[in-house]
Amino acid sequence: AQTVTQSQPEMSVQEAETVTLSCTYDTSENNYYLFWYKQPPSRQMILVIRQEAYKQQNATENRFSVNFQKAAKSFSLKISDSQLGDTAMYFCAFMKGTNAGKSTFGDGTTLTVKP
Amino acid sequence: DGGITQSPKYLFRKEGQNVTLSCEQNLNHDAMYWYRQDPGQGLRLIYYSQIVNDFQKGDIAEGYSVSREKKESFPLTVTSAQKNPTAFYLCASSIDPRQSNQPQHFGDGTRLSIL
Repeated sequence: AQTVTQSQPEMSVQEAETVTLSCTYDTSENNYYLFWYKQPPSRQMILVIRQEAYKQQNATENRFSVNFQKAAKSFSLKISDSQLGDTAMYFCAFMKGTNAGKSTFGDGTTLTVKP
Repeated sequence: DGGITQSPKYLFRKEGQNVTLSCEQNLNHDAMYWYRQDPGQGLRLIYYSQIVNDFQKGDIAEGYSVSREKKESFPLTVTSAQKNPTAFYLCASSIDPRQSNQPQHFGDGTRLSIL
């Protein structure tokens, strides 16, 4: 079975600064996908960024980027130029390549962006 | 606009009572999922369905039941056998489970409490 670990239950960052959220996972699979989801206080979970394990290049979406270290099974999320709207709970998720869409989620990191 | 609608937003259950949480999507997605979220914890999969008239148990299916009679609908029943039903319930969908790099889209959630 896969496990996903987010070791930082809570983090805070000053507006306009950069913050990195950590995520590690454990799997024996070689084909898989990784995701970061954001759950703002309004509660709707939305996708932030995704990474295919077969791709060496780190995914980037505007101010959000990942540091994917396959050998270390690490998938951290970097948020640059933090904005107040980034305040949310962030979940790291793992999906096997042949797992019919089922995902394993970490326990989440609550990020607070301070003005 | 396309999306996932969960209702009601808040639900109360009496002891020994079954309650049904609604989840409807107009995204034409094949797969649908139910997750349970407890405070300070990640999402745990209750049930999922890849196609109409078919569904599989997730990690914590005991005390829950589902049906998938229509592509758009995936209701979750919390039965009296579920001894600790107080939680936040999230419904999700994805395009095609065979395209396993597709992220999930989430509803706004239903908060269930015991009277």
